[in-house]
Amino acid sequence: QQQVRQSPQSLTVWEGETAILNCSYEDSTFNYFPWYQQFPGEGPALLISIRSVSDKKEDGRFTIFFNKREKKLSLHITDSQPGDSATYFCAASESNYQLIWGSGTKLIIKP
Amino acid sequence: DMKVTQMPRYLIKRMGENVLLECGQDMSHETMYWYRQDPGLGLQLIYISYDVDSNSEGDIPKGYRVSRKKREHFSLILDSAKTNQTSVYFCASSLGTPGNTLYFGEGSRLIVV
Repeated sequence: QQQVRQSPQSLTVWEGETAILNCSYEDSTFNYFPWYQQFPGEGPALLISIRSVSDKKEDGRFTIFFNKREKKLSLHITDSQPGDSATYFCAASESNYQLIWGSGTKLIIKP
Repeated sequence: DMKVTQMPRYLIKRMGENVLLECGQDMSHETMYWYRQDPGLGLQLIYISYDVDSNSEGDIPKGYRVSRKKREHFSLILDSAKTNQTSVYFCASSLGTPGNTLYFGEGSRLIVV
């Protein structure tokens, strides 16, 4: 049973556009939601995270929007750059328990 | 320097051979992990270690075992490798609980023929 779902599986946008990556979850006890960025040949690295007490978290061009009622969140990447091309993983956990990972969204930014 | 180092980075083994993947971290993190990553499946947790000799099974432990004798070092062992264990394996570490940031190594690509 997949508890964290990501869509789309892959996404292509033009440089300068806003990329929107979606994530949904099933367990209402999840309260920590990190997004990890992975470049080819490398391990994932934490990009940005949000806790369920907030509905928005911003870090430069990256913003998480969180809807607790619908159990959905999204990662918005504004002014997309070719260097943002990577796979993005949404994950979720309850307090100190292990992370549950989505299957990832492969983002391609066309110059 | 916050770093997780994995060795070897690439490995080809024959079915039935033993495999040892090693991981080291320089951050004195208590918690360490072994994941495997396959296309379309994201990251699957194999084992988690909360400290020296304190290891727990993850979601897919079958066919794997681990060893942690020093806080900074965590090994993944495949006894008699199978072709379906061909994958990319990632080691990670975190300070304290899994709710904190995970720091990943660069991965070990294993091919079992």
